[in-house]
Amino acid sequence: EVMLVESGGGLVKPGGSLRLSCAASGFSFSSFSMSWVRQAPGKGLEWVASVSSTSSHIFYANSVKGRFTISRDNAKNSLVLQMDSLTAEDTAIYYCARATKWGDVHYYYMDVWGKGTTVTVSS
Amino acid sequence: DIQMTQSPSSLSAAVGDRVTITCRASQGISKYLAWYQQKPGKVPKLLIYGASTLQSGVPSRFSGSGSGTDFTLTISSLQPEDVGIYSCQKYNRAPFTFGPGTKVDIK
Repeated sequence: EVMLVESGGGLVKPGGSLRLSCAASGFSFSSFSMSWVRQAPGKGLEWVASVSSTSSHIFYANSVKGRFTISRDNAKNSLVLQMDSLTAEDTAIYYCARATKWGDVHYYYMDVWGKGTTVTVSS
Repeated sequence: DIQMTQSPSSLSAAVGDRVTITCRASQGISKYLAWYQQKPGKVPKLLIYGASTLQSGVPSRFSGSGSGTDFTLTISSLQPEDVGIYSCQKYNRAPFTFGPGTKVDIK
């Protein structure tokens, strides 16, 4: 079964840091690009960051650029989101999601989602 | 950056009604548009990609159309299990922006 399991969420003070992890299983992780998507309480989905299968291409939303770092370890089937300089506006459920590929072409729409991990930024 | 808008922001319809949701991109994105459904308390689910291709396992009452800047998601006969929030997403190039969502419930 294809699965994504996020961990690392929690309560952090403004200005603090948090490291989210996503463990992938049931598919060839190293073949797929991956993304983080978040959802603030009562709000819509917000794309956060994406990384290509070999980490050669990395993309960030303007709202997190310079503060968040996405990375992956294909040997460990793991995706990471390092979040620094957190503010209350970063409070959200963070989803790990698999981007799609058709042959060798990667498309950044998400066909598999984890259940999410909750990040709360509050003093 | 390209902005994504959706209309309406919410709608209420009767079971069996035909429901149409619109998504608009501020610049052309060809057919690089996906639709997601998020039921209350659940994880988002991919419904449609390429503007009109139904993801495997999605009921045929869902359909998508459009290209360029204007797109629609249609539910041909609304069912009680279709209650939720529907969001579009562009994926032609980064940023892979989502629309603000349309909340659908049953009248």
